[in-house]
Amino acid sequence: GQQVMQIPQYQHVQEGEDFTTYCNSSTTLSNIQWYKQRPGGHPVFLIQLVKSGEVKKQKRLTFQFGEAKKNSSLHITATQTTDVGTYFCAGRGGGNKLTFGTGTQLKVEL
Amino acid sequence: SAVISQKPSRDICQRGTSLTIQCQVDSQVTMMFWYRQQPGQSLTLIATANQGSEATYESGFVIDKFPISRPNLTFSTLTVSNMSPEDSSIYLCSVGVFRGRRGANVLTFGAGSRLTVL
Repeated sequence: GQQVMQIPQYQHVQEGEDFTTYCNSSTTLSNIQWYKQRPGGHPVFLIQLVKSGEVKKQKRLTFQFGEAKKNSSLHITATQTTDVGTYFCAGRGGGNKLTFGTGTQLKVEL
Repeated sequence: SAVISQKPSRDICQRGTSLTIQCQVDSQVTMMFWYRQQPGQSLTLIATANQGSEATYESGFVIDKFPISRPNLTFSTLTVSNMSPEDSSIYLCSVGVFRGRRGANVLTFGAGSRLTVL
């Protein structure tokens, strides 16, 4: 079945440093979504990418969808303590099923 | 977007017992899902709750262990039956909603039910 892997599994950064998480699917995706889960909270939708090579920005967050539609990345510029949480990509492949990635846990230290 | 109320928020259960989790949505939704999130892990889809018919289960999950009800378009329950410590997890109800100009089909989650089985 479809597998979606994310690296790194964990990332500790100093506040102000940049952060990137990478998402790789075993199969081609029709679209990819990103969710953020704060510690003790539930996943919250951030964004969806549909087109090959698409890039979207939300303030300090930049999302990319690979040309082959099998990978994606989330980059945070100048992290803040409010960025703490686990970031999940979720890929939609054949059959319209959404498969969540393994997640990247981000910790931001002052 | 839809607001989801899920209860209980947490519970401690004895081995061999069963627990039913309730999920109430403030609007009618077609797509309703149950996920499991084990400690420090990703989200795994248990089943799609279908209104008026039997739920559709993912590989590795069966109706006898996780019976699901969906009596209408705003409510669903998930029962975790004959629990063992391996069932200790967070169980999340979610609904699929369309957002934005392009109608992206995204998931909105309830707050989750944290179960600990002793």
